[in-house]
Amino acid sequence: DIQLTQSPSFLSASVGDRVTITCRASQGISSYLAWYQQKPGKAPKLLIYAASTLQSRVPSRFSGGGSGTEFTLTISSLQPEDFATYYCQQVNSYPFITFGQGTRLEIK
Amino acid sequence: EVQLLESGGGLVQPGGSLRLSCAASGLTFNSYVMTWVRQAPGKGLEWVSSISTTGGTAYYADSVRGRFAISRDSSKNTLYLQMNSLRAEDTAVYYCAKGLNVDGSAFSYAMDVWGQGTTVTVSS
Repeated sequence: DIQLTQSPSFLSASVGDRVTITCRASQGISSYLAWYQQKPGKAPKLLIYAASTLQSRVPSRFSGGGSGTEFTLTISSLQPEDFATYYCQQVNSYPFITFGQGTRLEIK
Repeated sequence: EVQLLESGGGLVQPGGSLRLSCAASGLTFNSYVMTWVRQAPGKGLEWVSSISTTGGTAYYADSVRGRFAISRDSSKNTLYLQMNSLRAEDTAVYYCAKGLNVDGSAFSYAMDVWGQGTTVTVSS
């Protein structure tokens, strides 16, 4: 199984900050990675797929990068609505997909 | 607008069964891989099962294989998850989700539309 490890697990930041979340895969997965945002009590929302392709109607302050085993999700200027939990997902070994453990982003 | 609406969750005793349903609207249902993902209280996302566009092939996580069965009915635009031999560790919110791509490739297993979730509690 391909394991995904996100860092940090918890992040405290302020509105306007630039933040980066990292997702590391236990083996190379090319660009077969997606990122999701989840707010409390809500379903996840797809933000980015193919490591760096922004999903429709997702604000451009979100960006993704990386390939192989190391990936990043960057929010260029945090907005109040961005405080949430973020998950990476690998689809390289589809249909046996896996998620990272999540990164909780909170207001400082 | 594409919508997914889950139902069928509830409280069940260990060893019991439940069938979850996910009614889809606003999409060509049989064009997309469909997936169930669950989230235990306070925990992260866990892939449970996916089914091919035709319903002919199903895939399961090791934690549910042999106990859960995924199916789909294209005449009703509905996805199902039959859950048997339920355990306390199956307690979670269960989400159904639609695949991003229609070509059956890797990103057919990324999910761009999710239901609101249905809660399953396994307890005596």
